[in-house]
Order: sequence, then structure tokens, then C-alpha cells
Amino acid sequence: EAGVAQSPRYKIIEKRQSVAFWCNPISGHATLYWYQQILGQGPKLLIQFQNNGVVDDSQLPKDRFSAERLKGVDSTLKIQPAKLEDSAVYLCASSSPGAAVGEQYFGPGTRLTVT
Amino acid sequence: SQQGEEDPQALSIQEGENATMNCSYKTSINNLQWYRQNSGRGLVHLILIRSNEREKHSGRLRVTLDTSKKSSSLLITASRAADTASYFCATGTGFQKLVFGTGTRLLVSP
Repeated sequence: EAGVAQSPRYKIIEKRQSVAFWCNPISGHATLYWYQQILGQGPKLLIQFQNNGVVDDSQLPKDRFSAERLKGVDSTLKIQPAKLEDSAVYLCASSSPGAAVGEQYFGPGTRLTVT
Repeated sequence: SQQGEEDPQALSIQEGENATMNCSYKTSINNLQWYRQNSGRGLVHLILIRSNEREKHSGRLRVTLDTSKKSSSLLITASRAADTASYFCATGTGFQKLVFGTGTRLLVSP
């Protein structure tokens, strides 16, 4: 089966600009996650969707970050305006209720550099 | 916030040796998982151990879980250069939610 797809793989922007990331989960996976991974750290959950509803967005900086999952499949994560500290890898993951509880499948990530 | 603290932060060994990394966490969990991240690639799930299990094996991997001490260990036997990667523990809590640790960087030299 095809894995989790993400695009773009790399993005360089200047501070105060906006940027959007796209994720296509594994077919049939109802749960979709966006993580932020700063260099040298573990991934931090930003938002979790179940179908097209938000399950957890407690760590999403809502003044600048937004995410949506229209039709319960693809998802986009947007940052507007970007700050220097947003430089990180943004990982998308998905999981299926039928899989081992909590096992997640990750995409290759988008490396964002804010200058 | 990150729940898991991993130890050591970095580990350097020779091929054929065993590698052990430890993870400590703070709150009650449903399960604990280990993931591997190679340079430039996404995270790959390695193994999952449920809170009512004490030990689990998968190929060259052995995971133990001590819920009374809130700790877990991952043992990789007969390491290979291809095992060079960062390893993360992740605690499963709530509804399919994972909280990742800080990671251990493993370097296996030929």
C-alpha cells in the first residue's frame, strides 16, 4: 500500500511570510496527525484529526497556525505569519482504528527554514 | 510537552555489539512504542508493548516495560551499520495519541 505523502519536501521562506504544507494519508486511515520536530528533539503533536473533526489541537499556536482536513482525507497545515522559531520538520502521520492501538505511519516530512 | 526522557542521548558502538537505550516517562500509559528515524527520512514504527506486558521481542529487538518504575528499555542485538539512526520512545495515551521522548542517537561503526 502507498505510504503517507507530503509536499513540499523542503521550503525556505522569510519571516512574516506564509507557508502551507499538504498531506495525503494512507487510504482508509481515519486519524491524521501533524507534528513539529525541531532539530535535536522528538516530534511534538500539533493537531490530531479523526475523519474531518479535530480531536486535539491543544499545542497548536492558533494565532499563527491553522489546519484543516476537508472531506476527511487530505489535510493542509498553514503558518501565517512565520517566525524564525518555526524552523523545523513538519511531519504528517496517519493511523487506522483497525491497526494496533496507537501505531502511526509517518510521511517523509517537510523541512521548513525561516530566515 | 515531551513525556519521555531517553538515556543515553547518544551511543556509539561497533558492529556486532548490542545497543541498549532507556526511556522514562511520567504518567500512566496504554502502551509504549519505539520508533526509528534515519537521517532525512520519516519515523518508522519498530515495536509496541502494551501496559500489561513486560517483555516483547521482534527479530533483533527486545523491549521491556516496567510500569511500576515508569521505564522501558530497547535492546538491539548484533548491531549493524544500517541500525545507525535516532530512536524514540513514544507513550500511547488517550485516543490513539502518542507523546514522544527526546530520542537516542545511535552510531554503529563498521
